[in-house]
Amino acid sequence: NAGVTQTPKFQVLKTGQSMTLQCAQDMNHNSMYWYRQDPGMGLRLIYYSASEGTTDKGEVPNGYNVSRLNKREFSLRLESAAPSQTSVYFCAIGGSTDEQFFGPGTRLTVL
Amino acid sequence: AQSVTQPDIHITVSEGASLELRCNYSYGATPYLFWYVQSPGQGLQLLLKYFSGDTLVQGIKGFEAEFKRSQSSFNLRKPSVHWSDAAEYFCAVATNTNAGKSTFGDGTTLTVKP
Repeated sequence: NAGVTQTPKFQVLKTGQSMTLQCAQDMNHNSMYWYRQDPGMGLRLIYYSASEGTTDKGEVPNGYNVSRLNKREFSLRLESAAPSQTSVYFCAIGGSTDEQFFGPGTRLTVL
Repeated sequence: AQSVTQPDIHITVSEGASLELRCNYSYGATPYLFWYVQSPGQGLQLLLKYFSGDTLVQGIKGFEAEFKRSQSSFNLRKPSVHWSDAAEYFCAVATNTNAGKSTFGDGTTLTVKP
């Protein structure tokens, strides 16, 4: 039982390149979330998905797109990466009483 | 909309000393409240949660928190800190609607002196 897995763990991109961050869960939760974490700014919600087939914007969605491929998988795409998107990205899933379970994170650097 | 404030950015305590991390929230009704811990290079791990009942809740690793509605607070405490408690701590608030979205505080970094 891996819980929440994220790939890749590390990534370096050049400005303008695209990439997709993958998240998968084996806990059968409906809600999935993508956050970014920057020093001194806590976690900021990028996008979330309340259930398979639905996605909604969070606090900082600009420059990102998401796909809820099925109940298990929720991907985050950067179409044209910018240095301001250098961050640590966390995927999380929602529990039965709204607590969240987090993946290990993806550390992204955009040069 | 809900919000969370963690007034202390950084706290240093000696090993064996007691600890209290502050959290204040803003929400009209009774919220769901959480404390998470993040060790360097790791994701967040749930320490404890409150959503109803006894206002003093116990969590993992010897932590507890008390919900005080009159003060809109949910402070985290530990009677005796261990060096392994050094980490970043996040308070979060959620409602029972809106896809369970949580709002996180900016975090408090705990340093433990030997």
